[in-house]
Amino acid sequence: GQQLNQSPQSMFIQEGEDVSMNCTSSSIFNTWLWYKQDPGEGPVLLIALYKAGELTSNGRLTAQFGITRKDSFLNISASIPSDVGIYFCAGAPNTGGFKTIFGAGTRLFVKA
Amino acid sequence: NAGVMQNPRHLVRRRGQEARLRCSPMKGHSHVYWYRQLPEEGLKFMVYLQKENIIDESGMPKERFSAEFPKEGPSILRIQQVVRGDSAAYFCASSLRGEGEQYFGPGTRLTVT
Repeated sequence: GQQLNQSPQSMFIQEGEDVSMNCTSSSIFNTWLWYKQDPGEGPVLLIALYKAGELTSNGRLTAQFGITRKDSFLNISASIPSDVGIYFCAGAPNTGGFKTIFGAGTRLFVKA
Repeated sequence: NAGVMQNPRHLVRRRGQEARLRCSPMKGHSHVYWYRQLPEEGLKFMVYLQKENIIDESGMPKERFSAEFPKEGPSILRIQQVVRGDSAAYFCASSLRGEGEQYFGPGTRLTVT
């Protein structure tokens, strides 16, 4: 079945640094979604992308829907301690059906 | 403007008992999804329901697990005769349409002793 490869698995960065993470797939996706999950909580939707090439920002976060429709990246600029958490990419494959597939997550640690 | 509600937040069951997890979607959402998450792991799709119908249950174990989303009331994920391996966080999400943004509840953490 379809899989999303999310990288890196974890990142340890200094406060103020920029962060980049990405997701790739062997299949074409119609939708890319980026979520953040804090410990003990449910994932919170950060950015939704619906068109190839689309670049969308949400505060210090920027995400892009890859032109091949097989990848997406998320950038966080000027990281702060509250950015700590797990970031998941998710996508709806272009194969019909309704299943949204999630990546394994990128665990972000920010040192003040 | 209430988000997705799940209850209970924490549930402890002994082996062999039944677990019932409830999910109320966001207002106006008729699509509900259930996911399971083990510690330090990602979200694993279990089932997708639209009012009174199961659309996709390909991620649901064939035995002991069932889900429903009745015309009135919350969606229910039922696990019969729980085993230790069922211990996990179970998340519900809802969406306005079948393909698109899903909004998650806070999860139910099931512990089987």
